[in-house]
This record gives sequence, C-alpha cells and structure tokens, in this order.
Amino acid sequence: AQKVTQAQTEISVVEKEDVTLDCVYETRDTTYYLFWYKQPPSGELVFLIRRNSFDEQNEISGRYSWNFQKSTSSFNFTITASQVVDSAVYFCALRVVIKAAGNKLTFGGGTRVLVKP
Amino acid sequence: DTGVSQNPRHKITKRGQNVTFRCDPISEHNRLYWYRQTLGQGPEFLTYFQNEAQLEKSRLLSDRFSAERPKGSFSTLEIQRTEQGDSAMYLCASGSASYNEQFFGPGTRLTVL
Repeated sequence: AQKVTQAQTEISVVEKEDVTLDCVYETRDTTYYLFWYKQPPSGELVFLIRRNSFDEQNEISGRYSWNFQKSTSSFNFTITASQVVDSAVYFCALRVVIKAAGNKLTFGGGTRVLVKP
Repeated sequence: DTGVSQNPRHKITKRGQNVTFRCDPISEHNRLYWYRQTLGQGPEFLTYFQNEAQLEKSRLLSDRFSAERPKGSFSTLEIQRTEQGDSAMYLCASGSASYNEQFFGPGTRLTVL
C-alpha cells in the first residue's frame, strides 16, 4: 500500500517570503511518480509539477522548485518570493506504475498556505 | 473551455434520496477517475475507467455507489439512499497514456441533510 504524509497542516507567511512544503511518501514499488497539486479557494485541483522515481534531479520552474530525495522518501516543494495568489491548499500525491495498482493517485492530507500582504 | 467539467456544482439532498453526478473529461483523454474529498482531507480514490471499462474500484465504493462511462465519453456517478456521511466534494479527473498527471474538474459538492 502507498501512503503520503504532509506533516505541516498550515503555514502562514508574509508576501515575498519563501515557503517550503514537506512531503514524505511510502511505497514498496521502485517505479512511481510524485506530484504537487494546488487547490485554491475555488476548489479545483491544479497540477503543478511531476517527478518520476528515476530522476532525482531537482529543478526550478519559475517561482517553484522541488527537492526529491529517494534516500529519505521526501519530495519537498518550495515557492520562492510568495504572493497573495499563492494562498491555497497544496497536496502532494503519489502514483505507482504497476498494473495491479491502476493509475490512481494517493494524496497527502494537504498543507494550507496563507500568504499575507 | 476544454477542461474537465462536472455537473452539478452543488447538490443538496435529503437523506435516503438518490443523486447522480456527471463528468465530461477532456475530449482526447481515455482515462477517467472519480475521487471523494471530505473537509480538511486530501482526495481519496473511488474508481477508474479506461475507455468504457471500469478497471478499478476502491473499497470506499460501497454497493450504494455505482459509476458508468457509456461509450467511453462522459461518466456518471450515482449514489443511492444517500447518508449524511456521503457529504463531500466529488472530484472527477481525466488523463491519457501520454500524460502521467491527471487533470481535475471543479468538483460537485454534495450536502446530505
């Protein structure tokens, strides 16, 4: 079985501060994908980033960056120079790539980010 | 707008009534997923279709729940004899073999009184 844990339930920052969201996952499978989704107050989940288990290279995309470490089963996500529009709930998710597990996403409990002006 | 659409956006019903939700995926996507999200929690997987075939169902999907995807296009999720515990946001997502991510619709918020 797969499990995703987001230990931070809520983070509050002032605009322009950096925000790092923690994600720890559990799976016995060697091939999997990790995702971050954003859920603004409107409710729709918005895909942000994806990383596969064979690629530990950390990247930056605009104000978003991520740190994937297989050794610690962590997939942390950073928003640089936060803006008020970044206020939302952020979910980390895992999908294993074996037929028996289908294609379902296993989500963490989410971290609410509040960016104050 | 070519994203995933869901109808209705909100549904209020009395306990014991049946409800049906509809999801229209992104047109070129052959995979369709249903998730349920309760307040303060992450989405939980309910069921998955590839084209018209329902390939996986969660244990969360009790016998009061049924999902269909006729002709591999839109999908419906029906809940019979609703209970207060069914109150949640029901999310639909679509995807394809070309993409590893799933694209979500706006959800249907169900309130059972």
